[in-house]
Amino acid sequence: DAGITQSPRYKITETGRQVTLMCHQTWSHSYMFWYRQDLGHGLRLIYYSAAADITDKGEVPDGYVVSRSKTENFPLTLESATRSQTSVYFCASSEYGDLNTEAFFGQGTRLTVV
Amino acid sequence: AQSVTQLGSHVSVSEGALVLLRCNYSSSVPPYLFWYVQYPNQGLQLLLKYTSAATLVKGINGFEAEFKKSETSFHLTKPSAHMSDAAEYFCAVSGENKLVFGAGTILRVKS
Repeated sequence: DAGITQSPRYKITETGRQVTLMCHQTWSHSYMFWYRQDLGHGLRLIYYSAAADITDKGEVPDGYVVSRSKTENFPLTLESATRSQTSVYFCASSEYGDLNTEAFFGQGTRLTVV
Repeated sequence: AQSVTQLGSHVSVSEGALVLLRCNYSSSVPPYLFWYVQYPNQGLQLLLKYTSAATLVKGINGFEAEFKKSETSFHLTKPSAHMSDAAEYFCAVSGENKLVFGAGTILRVKS
């Protein structure tokens, strides 16, 4: 199916464990983004990517790692999960970087770190 | 750097009443501005966007927003609220290859 999909939808992990959130889009959009959503903060950008093998930090990158070996995939890894990383994570994609075009969002991954 | 401020984290209106959600922006260059809506347990979807073609922008589901440069505002309105409008609404500004979001406003519609 065409679109942007995230997996898993829900994840519970323990403090200190590594966890990877997956994001896949079928439009061949150049730009992809990872946001976290927390009450009172809206959506904050973690990392973004302008193309395969090009990534850059957003507002809150600490504790996260991304890669983009293929245009369609943009996984987000928490190297050593902490309770403060409990959040809802959204992946998005956009055809152009100047973003006067629409950004498309996945359904989100609800991550709980215990 | 670009930023947006949404005034009011919660707004409650009666069904059939006017909806007004406030957004003010800060941008050093002419901005691209957006309103997104998020229904429970879903991702965000675009309601409308301003890209300098017209100051009054019409979106989906009867929503519209007016860009006012003098007030640095981009408020979202709908003449008559419907129960299905209950959701969280986000204002966003684009710049430097990314979207910057406000904190969101939760709209409650009372019957």
